[in-house]
Amino acid sequence: AQKVTQAQTEISVVEKEDVTLDCVYETRDTTYYLFWYKQPPSGELVFLIRRNSFDEQNEISGRYSWNFQKSTSSFNFTITASQVVDSAVYFCALSEIRAGGTSYGKLTFGQGTILTVHP
Amino acid sequence: DADVTQTPRNRITKTGKRIMLECSQTKGHDRMYWYRQDPGLGLRLIYYSFDVKDINKGEISDGYSVSRQAQAKFSLSLESAIPNQTALYFCATSEDRRPYEQYFGPGTRLTVT
Repeated sequence: AQKVTQAQTEISVVEKEDVTLDCVYETRDTTYYLFWYKQPPSGELVFLIRRNSFDEQNEISGRYSWNFQKSTSSFNFTITASQVVDSAVYFCALSEIRAGGTSYGKLTFGQGTILTVHP
Repeated sequence: DADVTQTPRNRITKTGKRIMLECSQTKGHDRMYWYRQDPGLGLRLIYYSFDVKDINKGEISDGYSVSRQAQAKFSLSLESAIPNQTALYFCATSEDRRPYEQYFGPGTRLTVT
């Protein structure tokens, strides 16, 4: 069975601080996708990134960066120079990949980390 | 207009009542999903549908039923609502060839008193 653990329930930082959100996963699949979603106070889910388990290269997008380490089954998310608008709940998720690159599409979510950025 | 819509957006109902949450999509996707979100538990899959004739239970289907009336519509029903079904419910859609790329609706906040 797949499992995603976000051990940090809540994180509080002051604006301009860097913050890292941890994500650890368990799966028996050798190939899978990893995701991060943002849920701002308005409630909708905003897709941030998808990572294929074949590709362990870290990724940076503006102030966001992701560190994927297959050896430790972790996919951590760092926000550099945090801003008040980054305040949200962040979810890490996992989806298997089946033969031919297909997938049932079932996403397994972590519990979420509530990030509060104070001015 | 939003590609995935959910109605109602908010609903308060009483224990024992039957309630239906509706999801519509204009993306032309075959696959549709229902999730519920509870604080501290993340999102969990209730039901998913690969097409109109293919509906499957997710990890927490007890107490729920679904109907796929058309490719574009996927409804979630609570036959007899109970307080622990109070949650935020999300509908999502995806293409067959990219099922992991799911597009979420805005959510329905359901409160059962």
